[in-house]
Amino acid sequence: QSVLAQPPSVSGTPGQRVTITCSGSSSNIGAGYDVHWFQQLPGAAPKLLIYGNNNRPSGVPDRFSGSKSGTSASLAITGLQAEDEADYYCQSYDTRLSLPYVFGTGTKVTVL
Amino acid sequence: QVQLVESGGGLVKPGGSLRLSCAASGFTFSDHYVNWIRQAPGKGLEWVSYISMTAVDIHYADSVKGRFTISRDNAKNLLFLQMNSLRVEDTAVYYCTRRGVGGASDYWGQGTLVTVSS
Repeated sequence: QSVLAQPPSVSGTPGQRVTITCSGSSSNIGAGYDVHWFQQLPGAAPKLLIYGNNNRPSGVPDRFSGSKSGTSASLAITGLQAEDEADYYCQSYDTRLSLPYVFGTGTKVTVL
Repeated sequence: QVQLVESGGGLVKPGGSLRLSCAASGFTFSDHYVNWIRQAPGKGLEWVSYISMTAVDIHYADSVKGRFTISRDNAKNLLFLQMNSLRVEDTAVYYCTRRGVGGASDYWGQGTLVTVSS
């Protein structure tokens, strides 16, 4: 049921910068809806990482940043650390009443 | 601190029913929309349902519409999900979440596992 496309996996070495894309359409991200990002560590519940496209909740390191343009959004992790190895999901909204909340397919970040 | 604690999951046969609960604490429950979001084993996140502060605004994903019912008790700080006519494909960890900053799910419970199998 995921409507937002993400790459299945990205990897990088410690200290590198990695980006995760979230591709939507004119009925969701392109309609101007905000994008949120969640981090899910192994065996844990998801945690809010970025809200409103580019805002970090208190306690989230500033090496995580978000952006949005057109029908896509991106999450960047600069200065990759071992503890960043996790699954990442984007989430937005959709104009279709049948599915007002939409999630991305998820991206596994591996720290080499 | 904000806490959401789900309960009620378990093993049920196809066609059976379960009622999930989510106990909220550490914030004014009646001031927030709340959601149920699920995650099938090894799969991604799927939004299931949300309910507004006074239950006036309720929505369901097509996959559960007509089978699941969301409700809340603001006096007891509880969120519920009544699940009927369960299917194998409903097997998942079910999370309750609070809609907070910017409309995002800013707090999540630890989840409760629902397994539908014969």
